[in-house]
Amino acid sequence: EIVMTQSPAALSVSPGERATLSCRASQGVSSNFAWYQQKPGQAPRLLIYGASTRATGIPVRFSGSGSGTDFTLTISSLQSEDSAVYYCQQYSYWPLTFGGGTKVEIK
Amino acid sequence: QVQLVESGGGVVQPGRSQRLSCAASGFTFSSYPMHWVRQAPGKGLEWVAVISKDGDYEYSADSLKGRITISRDNSKNTLYLQMNSLRDEDTAVYYCARVLQEGTQLWLPPDYWGRGTLVTVSS
Repeated sequence: EIVMTQSPAALSVSPGERATLSCRASQGVSSNFAWYQQKPGQAPRLLIYGASTRATGIPVRFSGSGSGTDFTLTISSLQSEDSAVYYCQQYSYWPLTFGGGTKVEIK
Repeated sequence: QVQLVESGGGVVQPGRSQRLSCAASGFTFSSYPMHWVRQAPGKGLEWVAVISKDGDYEYSADSLKGRITISRDNSKNTLYLQMNSLRDEDTAVYYCARVLQEGTQLWLPPDYWGRGTLVTVSS
């Protein structure tokens, strides 16, 4: 199965600053790649699919890039409500697989 | 609005079976493939299974094959997950989730998720 490795495991960023999260796939997944946000006690929320397409209602400060094996989620100007765990997922091969998550904290 | 409501969780003894349900509303259920995803306490997300819109096709995680069955009843707008021979490591919140687009692309990520139902495997 495809192993998704996220880095860093945790990130602390000041409000208004940029946050950059990374995810690497153990083999190429083309652009069949998604990012999710999960806040405590809530279900995950789809942020990005197709590596760079924002899902409905997602603020423009969230952007995704990459293809193949290396992907990035950028939060251009961090807001307090962005404190959450972020997961990546590949949907190019069965079984679908998620990364272990990056916890983003607000300084 | 799209709503997904899971039920059927609870405490179950190791080796027993449990069936989870997910009631869907607010969209044409029969037009969308559906996923199950689980999350052990304090851990990350683990994809469980997906089923096509008409129930003809399904895929599941290798680690669960042989112990789970995903199914659906489009007349009842309900998704199911039958889990057998439950183990301690099956303890998790189980989410049902709708595939991003209606149609036949089972592999697409889910956009709408339920709030989940907690299954605790314990003697």
